[in-house]
This record gives sequence, C-alpha cells and structure tokens, in this order.
Amino acid sequence: AQSVTQLDSHVSVSEGTPVLLRCNYSSSYSPSLFWYVQHPNKGLQLLLKYTSAATLVKGINGFEAEFKKSETSFHLTKPSAHMSDAAEYFCVVSVNAGKSTFGDGTTLTVKP
Amino acid sequence: GAVVSQHPSRVICKSGTSVKIECRSLDFQATTMFWYRQFPKQSLMLMATSNEGSKATYEQGVEKDKFLINHASLTLSTLTVTSAHPEDSSFYICSARDTRGGFYEQYFGPGTRLTVT
Repeated sequence: AQSVTQLDSHVSVSEGTPVLLRCNYSSSYSPSLFWYVQHPNKGLQLLLKYTSAATLVKGINGFEAEFKKSETSFHLTKPSAHMSDAAEYFCVVSVNAGKSTFGDGTTLTVKP
Repeated sequence: GAVVSQHPSRVICKSGTSVKIECRSLDFQATTMFWYRQFPKQSLMLMATSNEGSKATYEQGVEKDKFLINHASLTLSTLTVTSAHPEDSSFYICSARDTRGGFYEQYFGPGTRLTVT
C-alpha cells in the first residue's frame, strides 16, 4: 500500500522569497517519488524525481527536493519564487513505475 | 524522456453518446498503461490499469461497463466513455510504463478534457 500527504493545500509567497511545499509519503516498498506541476487547464509537467539514487534531487526551473527516509518526507523547495511558478503542485509516489498515487495537491500563489 | 500522446486533447459530446480517447506511447512499447481522472480543482485518481492483451483492472468504484478500456497493442490503449453524462466531464490522463533496459519509468500523456453537454 502507498499513500501521499501534502501538508499544505495552499501556499502563498512573495516573488523572490523561498518556496517550501511539504510532502509525506507511506509505502510498503522502496518508493519512487515525484513532484509534478500543473498550470491551469494544462497537463502535468515533471519537475523532478527520486528513484533511490542521490537523496537530494535537482529538477527543472530551480526546484529541488530532498528524500528523507527517516522522516518519510520529500519536500519541494526553491530559493526564489517567480510569478510563473504559480500553479498546482502534486507529490506522487509509485513503486517500479506501477500505479501512481497522487497527493491532494498544493496551490502555490506568488504575490508581486 | 519518452513521449506519450493522447487524442483528442479536447472533446465535447452530447449526453448519451460515447467517446473514445486514445493513449499512445510514441517511442517505446508499453505493456502497462494507466488511466487517471481529474475533476476540477481536485487531484488525479487512478481509474484502471490497462495491460496489453488482457482485461483491464479497475479501481474500486469505477464502472467497468461505462469506462471500456482496450489495450490491443503495445503502443496503444483506448478509453471509451459509454453513454456519457455531464457528471463524466473531467480531465482524463493516461500514463505508460517504460521498462526498457530493466529500468522502470512512467510517462504521462498531456490529458484529454471531456465536456459532456
């Protein structure tokens, strides 16, 4: 069994300030973890993924995430938010590229 | 990364009609594909797992007679929404599992927005 909890449904930051989107997971097996971004009325875009290699994962657009097994967390961070980062973010867990379980999503708002 | 396409990207149909959505893996073979549904302002929920050459496995609460899945080839899975109703209006996203070289990767399609009037 696997599950994902995104701890914040909404996060609001000012442009140029850091972003932190929190995700906790549960999995009976060694999981792969992903962060996807979805802009309004668009499909999913993969930001980054963890697949049992380095625990600090760097993704696109300056995002990164750290896999912490002891805390069962995979939080997404970015040092400096940009207006274009405003979107819905999903934390996802799967095992061996099997069925994916999505978190409920976090809406990121970036204020000018 | 590999590419997964969906067709159509948008479709509007009348209540009571059927709609077919295609999911294709363009540069790899996928014995397994997944279908997800996303209602407005909600997360994605797995509907079914599509296995090439065999019957799909549906998640609890998903009507298999309403959402027909056919995975007739290693690069194509189709989802047919039969007798569509307005409550079926949703964003349908497929993904395909790439197992080349012993590594497992999953790639999502761009989605199909279905509106039933």
